[in-house]
Order: sequence, then C-alpha cells, then structure tokens
Amino acid sequence: SQQGEEDPQALSIQEGENATMNCSYKTSINNLQWYRQNSGRGLVHLILIRSNEREKHSGRLRVTLDTSKKSSSLLITASRAADTASYFCATDPNAGNMLTFGGGTRLMVKP
Amino acid sequence: NAGVTQTPKFQVLKTGQSMTLQCAQDMNHEYMSWYRQDPGMGLRLIHYSVGAGITDQGEVPNGYNVSRSTTEDFPLRLLSAAPSQTSVYFCASSYSITGGETQYFGPGTRLLVL
Repeated sequence: SQQGEEDPQALSIQEGENATMNCSYKTSINNLQWYRQNSGRGLVHLILIRSNEREKHSGRLRVTLDTSKKSSSLLITASRAADTASYFCATDPNAGNMLTFGGGTRLMVKP
Repeated sequence: NAGVTQTPKFQVLKTGQSMTLQCAQDMNHEYMSWYRQDPGMGLRLIHYSVGAGITDQGEVPNGYNVSRSTTEDFPLRLLSAAPSQTSVYFCASSYSITGGETQYFGPGTRLLVL
C-alpha cells in the first residue's frame, strides 16, 4: 500500500515557470522526504522536512508540511529543462528509515 | 567514493530460476535496504538491514531473501523467479539507523522474468 499520494500525476510547464507538486499521506510521520528520479536512473534525495517543521528551502526548492492536513508540497521555482524528471514523496513514520513512497509526479519542463 | 553500486544492470531470467542481485556501498553506512519499483509506481520496501548480521522484512518480502555478512554488502536473492517479480530493483543506504537521514540510492537493476 502507498502511504503517500502525489498530485498531479503528470505536469507539463514551460521553462521559467514554477512547478508545484502535492503529496498527501495517511498516518502520522516523523519526517517526509522528496526525491527526484531521472528517466532510467536511481533516486536522488532533494530535501527532508521533519514533523515539527513547516517549511524548508534548498536553492530553487521550497517544501511545506501541514501535519494537520497530512499533506506536503514541493515548489520548484524558475524551472529548467533539466528539472524534467519524476518526483516522489516518501514518508518515514517513526524515524526508522522504512520509507513509504507515493506514486510520483512526472514533470516535463519544455524549453 | 563510488557510493552505492548495483550489479547487474539488466538481467533476464526464466520462471523458476534463481539469482542474486548485488549491492555494495563504500560509505560505511549502517542501514541498507532493497526496494522494487513497478511501472508508474513508487518504490516498495522488500527487506532492510540495520547492520551486519541483522535483517528484517519490509512491505513485500515474499520470494526474496537477504543477508548482511559485512557492512558493505547487501545481496538480494530471488529463490525461484516468477513473472510477478519483473521490476526495477533499487538498493539504498543511509548513515543512520534511526532515520531522518538522506538515503542514497544505487542506479538500479532491471529484471525481466519470462
């Protein structure tokens, strides 16, 4: 079963636009992580937000977490063609490394 | 550092055959895990290990065995391959066994079971 569900499943934007992806989950968490996966490659860790945090930034990435709504969002600002990839949220319910992944959002950034 | 390495990159098996997927990391990470990714889906945890000699089951362990004789290596064995095991397999490692740390993923092994 998937703990996290990403929305939308697919997103197509022009270079320079912002991309927002959402993640909803079902049970309480210790932390939530976002990963990027380029086609045919492994996952790359982007950012981790803990349950007592509401917002985190890393370069052009902004992640928010609303534990009352059991949801998180990933914002990529000023997108580039190189941002084209699938993005996954993963929840860690008890700080035990046993991540549960959502189905991902496929982002296409057109040059 | 090579990070997390996986071999082979691609494998074709016939139903009933067995094989071992290799995973190694050179970062001295205590935590290692195996995931499978089916088309259009996220990753699902198969087995994990919090240190040499210690392994446990994840969400989808049936049909797979693991062992952890060293900190560096964490092989995944398919005992009798089935078409339902056609998937992409990823190995991951993390420094901390208590969570809340970055997990580093290998490049994956694509497995096709005929």
